[in-house]
Amino acid sequence: DGGITQSPKYLFRKEGQNVTLSCEQNLNHDAMYWYRQDPGQGLRLIYYSQIVNDFQKGDIAEGYSVSREKKESFPLTVTSAQKNPTAFYLCASKGNGNSGNTIYFGEGSWLTVV
Amino acid sequence: GESVGLHLPTLSVQEGDNSIINCAYSNSASDYFIWYKQESGKGPQFIIDIRSNMDKRQGQRVTVLLNKTVKHLSLQIAATQPGDSAVYFCAETRAGGYQKVTFGTGTKLQVIP
Repeated sequence: DGGITQSPKYLFRKEGQNVTLSCEQNLNHDAMYWYRQDPGQGLRLIYYSQIVNDFQKGDIAEGYSVSREKKESFPLTVTSAQKNPTAFYLCASKGNGNSGNTIYFGEGSWLTVV
Repeated sequence: GESVGLHLPTLSVQEGDNSIINCAYSNSASDYFIWYKQESGKGPQFIIDIRSNMDKRQGQRVTVLLNKTVKHLSLQIAATQPGDSAVYFCAETRAGGYQKVTFGTGTKLQVIP
């Protein structure tokens, strides 16, 4: 099936530890995004990538890093510099203008600091 | 600055009634609007979209209305069902290429059986 796959669904991080969230899409979309969602809150943009080997900071990039080595993959690393990482993380992708303007989301990953 | 807000954080509706969820936006340059449904613990699902050159668009049991004069967007759900219970987000952006997407906080729809 076509779509966006995030893994793991649940992840626990110890203090001072880096963790990486995986995001894979087979929609042939150019643009990919990472959002953070806190309980009862809206979506905040962490990083986005318009094309392979290119990515830009969003509104809350501090303490996070990304890479875009392949079109299909956009992993997010939550570093120890992120002091309040407990949240629901959503990966998304969007095609180019010819294939639509809608952003499609994965099922999300829950990250908890223990 | 840009903002997308919602008038009501929680909406309770009797099963079978129609639901109306409202959204206000402030960026006059936005020309593409999207409604998403998010069930608990899941990613947002696309419901329906509308471009700024339209006032109304209908889907299956859903209708989106756009009033550009007052920068207002609404989602109407006909014959609301228990499965419609979720948080609904509106989003605004500009069509074409990469464009920043601004999401509202969301309205929680509770369907009373």
